[in-house]
Amino acid sequence: AQSVAQPEDQVNVAEGNPLTVKCTYSVSGNPYLFWYVQYPNRGLQFLLKYITGDNLVKGSYGFEAEFNKSQTSFHLKKPSALVSDSALYFCAVRDGTWGNQGGKLIFGQGTELSVKP
Amino acid sequence: EPEVTQTPSHQVTQMGQEVILRCVPISNHLYFYWYRQILGQKVEFLVSFYNNEISEKSEIFDDQFSVERPDGSNFTLKIRSTKLEDSAMYFCASSGSSSLQFFGPGTRLTVL
Repeated sequence: AQSVAQPEDQVNVAEGNPLTVKCTYSVSGNPYLFWYVQYPNRGLQFLLKYITGDNLVKGSYGFEAEFNKSQTSFHLKKPSALVSDSALYFCAVRDGTWGNQGGKLIFGQGTELSVKP
Repeated sequence: EPEVTQTPSHQVTQMGQEVILRCVPISNHLYFYWYRQILGQKVEFLVSFYNNEISEKSEIFDDQFSVERPDGSNFTLKIRSTKLEDSAMYFCASSGSSSLQFFGPGTRLTVL
C-alpha cells in the first residue's frame, strides 16, 4: 500500500533562516509527489509537484523540494523563511493505480511550520 | 484564475439529519473528489468520481454517503443520517488532464 510519512508534527524556524519540512514515501512504481499548504480556515493550496525529471523541483512562494529516490524522501525546503510561511504543510502521493490521470491523493499527517520574527 | 468553490462554508446539523455539501469544480475538469479532515488529523480520501460514476471509494464512504453530479457544474456529497463522528472539514477537489488536484476552501460540518 502507498503511504506518506511526515516525521515532525511541528517545525520552528526563525525568520530569515532556511527551513526544511520532511517527507518520506512508500510506493510501488514511480511516485507522483505533491506538497500542499493549508492556512488557518482555508483549503489546501498546491505548492509543487514531482512527476519526473529533475530531482529539485521549484514551486510557489520560493519553496522547492528535493526528490531522493534512494532515501524515498521528498523534503520541502526554502532558503529564507518568512513569518507568513507559518502554516500547516502536507506531503501527498498520488495513487497511480488508476492510470495516468485521476487517482486519489494519500496525505501525510501534516507538519505545522512556525516562523518567528 | 479558475478555482473550486464549496457551499456552505459551515453547516451545523443535528445527529440523524441529512446534509448535502455542494461543490462547483473547475469547469473543464473531468475528475472529482471528496476528502475530509477531522480536526487535528490528516486529510483522508473519501471518493473519486469520473464519467458520471464512482471510480473509487474508501472504507469511510459507506452506505450513508452518496455523490452526485446533477448537472454540468455541481458535484454534491450527501450524508443521509449524520453521526457525531461525521463532524469534520470536507474538501472537494477536481483535476483535469494532469495529475494536479485543485481543492476548494472546504465545508466545516458540525454534527450536534
